[in-house]
Amino acid sequence: NAGVTQTPKFQVLKTGQSMTLQCAQDMNHNSMYWYRQDPGMGLRLIYYSASEGTTDKGEVPNGYNVSRLNKREFSLRLESAAPSQTSVYFCASSEVSTGAAGEKLFFGSGTQLSVL
Amino acid sequence: LAKTTQPISMDSYEGQEVNITCSHNNIATNDYITWYQQFPSQGPRFIIQGYKTKVTNEVASLFIPADRKSSTLSLPRVSLSDTAVYYCLVGDFPPGNMLTFGGGTRLMVKP
Repeated sequence: NAGVTQTPKFQVLKTGQSMTLQCAQDMNHNSMYWYRQDPGMGLRLIYYSASEGTTDKGEVPNGYNVSRLNKREFSLRLESAAPSQTSVYFCASSEVSTGAAGEKLFFGSGTQLSVL
Repeated sequence: LAKTTQPISMDSYEGQEVNITCSHNNIATNDYITWYQQFPSQGPRFIIQGYKTKVTNEVASLFIPADRKSSTLSLPRVSLSDTAVYYCLVGDFPPGNMLTFGGGTRLMVKP
């Protein structure tokens, strides 16, 4: 059981280039999330998808687009990368926590992105 | 959205009990309180979750007062491997709502 899988693990882009970060989960979760984490900082929510076919903006959506391709996959696209988007990107999915009824997030191992 | 406030950092020694408090003054009726642990170069990992009073599992305890405006994560007898960043997260049910993290508390456990 792989959980949440992110690809690639590392990426270097030049300013203005585009790329798509891929995320897939095999836990049959309805909700998925994209976060970014800058060095020494906490996580900030970029976009989330409450269920297949829906997406919503988080705290820092500018410069990003997302696609909830199906229940398993949630991709994040940078159309024109900027140095300010240098960060570690984490994908997560969620389920209702056993015994508590609140949400429990499962995270992938992250993508380290550098924009030069 | 309920905003959370935590101490930026804490130091402790092996074998001690560590208590990390999170303030969430505008917590909503449907909000749950969840704590995550993050090691360097890894994604956060679920530790514990609660709604009110006290919750305990094999890793930690979570204390929530009646007014729910704060919560305390308690780690018994910490070891060096508990050195990590701990995040308090407040979010509501049903699932799929915007879940935001605060800055977290960087815990350093010393020998």
